Amino acid sequence: DQQVKQNSPSLSVQEGRISILNCDYTNSMFDYFLWYKKYPAEGPTFLISISSIKDKNEDGRFTVFLNKSAKHLSLHIVPSQPGDSAVYFCAATLQTGANNLFFGTGTRLTIIP
Amino acid sequence: EPEVTQTPSHQVTQMGQEVILRCVPISNHLYFYWYRQILGQKVEFLVSFYNNEISEKSEIFDDQFSVERPDGSNFTLKIRSTKLEDSAMYFCASKEGINEKLFFGSGTQLSVL
Repeated sequence: DQQVKQNSPSLSVQEGRISILNCDYTNSMFDYFLWYKKYPAEGPTFLISISSIKDKNEDGRFTVFLNKSAKHLSLHIVPSQPGDSAVYFCAATLQTGANNLFFGTGTRLTIIP
Repeated sequence: EPEVTQTPSHQVTQMGQEVILRCVPISNHLYFYWYRQILGQKVEFLVSFYNNEISEKSEIFDDQFSVERPDGSNFTLKIRSTKLEDSAMYFCASKEGINEKLFFGSGTQLSVL
């Protein structure tokens, strides 16, 4: 049951450049999307979210884009910093505040100094 | 910043034994969750808990699982008779309000031998 997919298990980006992490979903009923970041030996940490009524949300260096027709979202990090090296999880839910988050399998981002 | 605390960080048990995973959610939070991640797989929802009762559970959360909030601060997950396939990282999470962001603990790595 892969309702949320992150097809790139890993990504390496030069420091200062843009990191683009991608996520696809299959359930058209998803209403709210989130990105979480995870360091080793820590739990996932909320990064940024977007409601299905929007196509873009920006918070500092992080921007999430949502393309509902393509069932695709992406996270852009500009500029990338070494501290951004982590595993990034895309997640979706059927409504804002719903109990059940559906996670992707994650993308390991490595920022090369 | 306040954090969700989980103990122990690692738990090794024999198949068929009972385990209790412990969590201390953030003190003013009202919604509590357990998620798990089997190695190499996605983070999966197990159960949500609000107002001293289960509000939602997944198919994974069968009769072998139970949750409890024995006092005003702890939130526990009990697996009555562990199976090999229960080996996973178990994450506790909590949030203050229904539409607030979810805070995860750093997880308990459960190994069933």
